[in-house]
Amino acid sequence: VQLLESGGGLVQPGGSLRLSCAASGFTFSSYTMSWVRQAPGKGLEWVSAISGSGNNNYYADSVKGRFTISRDNSKNTVFLQMNSLRAEDTALYYCSKDDEVDGGYNDDWGQGTLVTVSS
Amino acid sequence: DIQMTQSPSTLSASVGDRVTITCRASQNIRSWLTWYQHKPGKAPKLLIYKASTLEIGVPSRFSGSGSGTEFTLTISSLQPDDSATYYCQQYNHYWTFGQGTKVEIK
Repeated sequence: VQLLESGGGLVQPGGSLRLSCAASGFTFSSYTMSWVRQAPGKGLEWVSAISGSGNNNYYADSVKGRFTISRDNSKNTVFLQMNSLRAEDTALYYCSKDDEVDGGYNDDWGQGTLVTVSS
Repeated sequence: DIQMTQSPSTLSASVGDRVTITCRASQNIRSWLTWYQHKPGKAPKLLIYKASTLEIGVPSRFSGSGSGTEFTLTISSLQPDDSATYYCQQYNHYWTFGQGTKVEIK
């Protein structure tokens, strides 16, 4: 299993960013994919998840209405569209594969992509 | 929302010590709990899933127990490589991490 995140960077408050996670080494459409973040000096925080089919999306309250998760099973890629970004969204964002088609636990992780929200 | 509370927040122990970390859920999560090890600059590593099942390749000194609302992670004989932050996570309803326990080697 390989998960490669990209798309992080520096963005101003109120701005937008789209993260991507390219997956390989498993049958992508058979598994839920998640995004988890770690703010500087803080613990891990689950952000969002999407079922294997893409029909079910899940969001933490802290990002609901601002972030949108999606996936392209033909390209083995999951996305996180982040709008109305705030300073508190600054974090290392990890992509992870879950162990079930809808739900489950995170059994494989990428190395993360850094998002910095600052003026 | 399900809240997860870990204790202690930090612990310092010697090589060879038995170490126990506790995780409490705010409601019944049955056995839908995992434990992760996280080292700086690295991806989190799955140690245990379904409260007590050891992930393939994880040393047998790690073990998990509990169900319902009370869970423990035990390291039977602490090794230098075990210096890390450990997180529990519930996946009974959405996903929630505990706040983490930093394990330091004396």
